[in-house]
Amino acid sequence: KQEVTQIPAALSVPEGENLVLNCSFTDSAIYNLQWFRQDPGKGLTSLLLIQSSQREQTSGRLNASLDKSSGRSTLYIAASQPGDSATYLCAVMDTGRRALTFGSGTRLQVQP
Amino acid sequence: GAGVSQSPSNKVTEKGKDVELRCDPISGHTALYWYRQSLGQGLEFLIYFQGNSAPDKSGLPSDRFSAERTGGSVSTLTIQRTQQEDSAVYLCASSLPSGSTDTQYFGPGTRLTVL
Repeated sequence: KQEVTQIPAALSVPEGENLVLNCSFTDSAIYNLQWFRQDPGKGLTSLLLIQSSQREQTSGRLNASLDKSSGRSTLYIAASQPGDSATYLCAVMDTGRRALTFGSGTRLQVQP
Repeated sequence: GAGVSQSPSNKVTEKGKDVELRCDPISGHTALYWYRQSLGQGLEFLIYFQGNSAPDKSGLPSDRFSAERTGGSVSTLTIQRTQQEDSAVYLCASSLPSGSTDTQYFGPGTRLTVL
């Protein structure tokens, strides 16, 4: 059974810092990996999707990498802003199954 | 364009009552998913619909939970004889057909409270 772990559980940084969120998964037979953002009381917003054949994806100040063989992904946020404050969730889609398995998230607070 | 919508946004019910939660996916999205987000369990998969194929019900926690998707669009998640442990936020997501982008787009959720 796929298990997804995210470290750290919570992170507080001053504005302007670059930061890295970590995600690990136990079964490397994945189809893709997605990073989501969730604001309090809201649904999930997809940030980046990396197919299993890809190594990284970039969108603006966000860069996500994937190392399938070691079961790891990182989300890099450059020049963090207070508006980046949210919970970041990592989720994997296993090969042959469409459901996403989610990590428990990293709660990020960017201090102005 | 319009995103995934869910109704109601909040539902308070008494233990033992049945509830129905509704999801309207993005137009043209043939795949539809239900997830549940609770404090103790995080975000977990419930059920998946893809076109006219048989749904993947492997995540439903008990036979009190069922879902249907009429006309390949709107979906209803039904919980019978609700229990306090059913209290959670129920999230719906949709995506384009398999083989194209697999990004799942989520609705705002329905917060269910069972008293």
